[in-house]
Amino acid sequence: ETGVTQSPTHLIKTRGQQVTLRCSSQSGHNTVSWYQQALGQGPQFIFQYYREEENGRGNFPPRFSGLQFPNYSSELNVNALELDDSALYLCASSPGGQAGYNEQFFGPGTRLTVL
Amino acid sequence: AQSVSQHNHHVILSEAASLELGCNYSYGGTVNLFWYVQYPGQHLQLLLKYFSGDPLVKGIKGFEAEFIKSKFSFNLRKPSVQWSDTAEYFCAVERQAGTALIFGKGTTLSVSS
Repeated sequence: ETGVTQSPTHLIKTRGQQVTLRCSSQSGHNTVSWYQQALGQGPQFIFQYYREEENGRGNFPPRFSGLQFPNYSSELNVNALELDDSALYLCASSPGGQAGYNEQFFGPGTRLTVL
Repeated sequence: AQSVSQHNHHVILSEAASLELGCNYSYGGTVNLFWYVQYPGQHLQLLLKYFSGDPLVKGIKGFEAEFIKSKFSFNLRKPSVQWSDTAEYFCAVERQAGTALIFGKGTTLSVSS
């Protein structure tokens, strides 16, 4: 069973640029959640996708957007990058649709540095 | 503001010492509770979870946690730590099944051999 994978591993961008991060969910999982983990902080929820529809969003501006594809992989797009966007971006997949049970399996993350 | 609080930022222990990491949350109603661990260079992994039933839950690697509803707490314990337990530990709350995890800031555990 393949776990959650993310690409790229590391990324350096300059302020104002746009970035796309990618996530492949674990086999059999239809739900993908994205988190931002700043240095020394816990992960913060950005948004979640369930069967290609956004299913909840955290306190992040609209320049953070996402997609989920029919194979349940997902993208996180960030426009107009700011220095504070520098962080580890985590993707987590879960089986979804099962009331009372929702273990999220995390990928290794993408380290984004904005200069 | 509603939140998840982890009391200890950095804990330093010797091998065989007992461990207790505190976690409190400020959300009312029914919640699901989790402890995740991040070993150096590895991704977040689930240690244990509580959804309902027995408030004392056992996880992997000898960890356990106790849910005390009246105190809004979900403290993590291990009777005897090992050097390999050196990691960052995160408490997380899920307010509705299948939705966002709300994490605490994490506790760094350093175990000396």
